[in-house]
Parts: sequence; C-alpha cells; structure tokens
Amino acid sequence: EPEVTQTPSHQVTQMGQEVILRCVPISNHLYFYWYRQILGQKVEFLVSFYNNEISEKSEIFDDQFSVERPDGSNFTLKIRSTKLEDSAMYFCASLAGDSDTQYFGPGTRLTVL
Amino acid sequence: AQSVSQHNHHVILSEAASLELGCNYSYGGTVNLFWYVQYPGQHLQLLLKYFSGDPLVKGIKGFEAEFIKSKFSFNLRKPSVQWSDTAEYFCAAHGSGNTGKLIFGQGTTLQVKP
Repeated sequence: EPEVTQTPSHQVTQMGQEVILRCVPISNHLYFYWYRQILGQKVEFLVSFYNNEISEKSEIFDDQFSVERPDGSNFTLKIRSTKLEDSAMYFCASLAGDSDTQYFGPGTRLTVL
Repeated sequence: AQSVSQHNHHVILSEAASLELGCNYSYGGTVNLFWYVQYPGQHLQLLLKYFSGDPLVKGIKGFEAEFIKSKFSFNLRKPSVQWSDTAEYFCAAHGSGNTGKLIFGQGTTLQVKP
C-alpha cells in the first residue's frame, strides 16, 4: 500500500537556523497538508496546498513558514529562522482528489536548541 | 470557533475490557468526523469516519463509533481491547471551508495491560 514518507525523522537545529522538512506524498494525490504537534498539545493544522498554491493557512503559519512542491513529488515545509517554540512533531498528509481520507506520514520531530 | 475535545487523556485497561473514548465537537453546520490511531513509532492511520447516514459507523480492527448529533458527540468504542490496541487515539473533524483541513482533539493515550 502506498505511504506518505517524511525525512528526516528527527532534526535538531540551533535557534535562528533555517530548516527544511521533506515529505513525499502518495503519487496520485492532489491535496497536501502540514500539521504540527507540540509535545503534550493538540495536533494543529498549519497549511493546505492544492494546484501549486496555498489554499488555506492557519495563524501559526506566519512569514517564517513557507511550503513548496518543487519537483512534482516532494512537498517541503521551510522554517526560515527557527524559534524554540517551533520544537514539535511535524506531520505531512495528502489526499486524493476523489477521496475524503487524508493519509499521514510518520512525522519529523524538530528540536530547536 | 471550531473545536474538538477528548475527555480522557490517558486510559489504562486490562485486556478484554471494553473501551469507550469520548469526543465532542463544537461546530456549526455539516460536520464530518474521524478517528485516527497512532501506534508507537508509526504514522496516523484512519480508524473510521462519519459523513452522513447511519450514525453507528464501524471501522477497522473491531472499532466503532456513534455520532449523536444532540450531544455533539462521536465516541469511539470497542467491546474487548487487546494489548495491540495500545496507541494514541485522535478524534478529528473537517474544518469549515473546502480545503479538507482537520481539526484535532487533544488525543487519548490508551495503554492495555496484558
């Protein structure tokens, strides 16, 4: 069964550094999402992406965040200047055009020191 | 504002015990509801979903959930849990708009003792 994959599984970075989290969605899916879960808190929606543009973003998704689908397979989340409070598990998800079920990746644990 | 809440944060059961995890939503309009499970070290997987029709929905691995509109609830149940059901369980709802974003509850950690 096809799966959403994410790399790396764990990223440690210094405050102020840029990080790029990578996701490979399921190949025929059209809708892509990033969520995050700060330890002990809810899974929160960050952004949705469709037809090569952001379709919705949350208040969390400020100017420090950006998403890209550079080559038709990868879907990346960039944080330009990381803060301590960006430490969280980041989940990518994808959705087929004719479905209502999002498929999630295993997550990337981001630790900002 | 849309929200989903789960009452139980950590549940410990013995094998063969019955399970019920609470989920309430606060949302105006048509609501689509989901239960996801995350086994240790694995990704979130869909257990079951409700969009319309029969309010009692059956999912994988013997789980079911009942949508009760008057109570704004979508509780997850399983008659007899197994050790392999040890996982974190998330209730979620589609947010407003048509982007398909999910609004999650806090999650419930279920520990099943053998």
